[in-house]
Amino acid sequence: DTGVSQDPRHKITKRGQNVTFRCDPISEHNRLYWYRQTLGQGPEFLTYFQNEAQLEKSRLLSDRFSAERPKGSFSTLEIQRTEQGDSAMYLCASSLDDNGYTFGSGTRLTVV
Amino acid sequence: GESVGLHLPTLSVQEGDNSIINCAYSNSASDYFIWYKQESGKGPQFIIDIRSNMDKRQGQRVTVLLNKTVKHLSLQIAATQPGDSAVYFCAEKQEGGNKLTFGGGTRVLVKP
Repeated sequence: DTGVSQDPRHKITKRGQNVTFRCDPISEHNRLYWYRQTLGQGPEFLTYFQNEAQLEKSRLLSDRFSAERPKGSFSTLEIQRTEQGDSAMYLCASSLDDNGYTFGSGTRLTVV
Repeated sequence: GESVGLHLPTLSVQEGDNSIINCAYSNSASDYFIWYKQESGKGPQFIIDIRSNMDKRQGQRVTVLLNKTVKHLSLQIAATQPGDSAVYFCAEKQEGGNKLTFGGGTRVLVKP
């Protein structure tokens, strides 16, 4: 399967700990996106990469959040000093320019 | 599995009947629209898309209609099956933009 892969699928962490998630996009896709989804809501945009350049960040992405895509392939999303309000599903998507927006299965984060 | 949405509008439909899911969008500058299906514990799955230069597009058992005058989008599912039970989201992209903005979602329950 050559879809979007996310790891881990689930993460439980204690408040104050740091967590890092990984996304492997579809190999030929040049654009990569991170979204966050809470129960009962649609996904909300966090940030976007074109190749290795981070071109847009949402106001939702506080200083505790950082995303990288060092070689224009996989991406990582790190949350520092996690808070209970960070509990959500973190979704990664990729596209080839403006086509084929494909989502991964997400990482479910629970902060206890 | 975990519920995607606990307080979403719900459409109950008899197996074999047609389903129509509606979505209103607010941004007249949006030029690209996608319908996604999301099952519990999974990421959004692409169903069908449409660009603003079209008003109708058909796929396998699905049709998307776009009315730009009233900023309305609909998804029609023909001969609804139990496997169609899920939460459905519409998403829009602004012309010249990169990110998708999601609507609130509709839960479809197919009764056997």
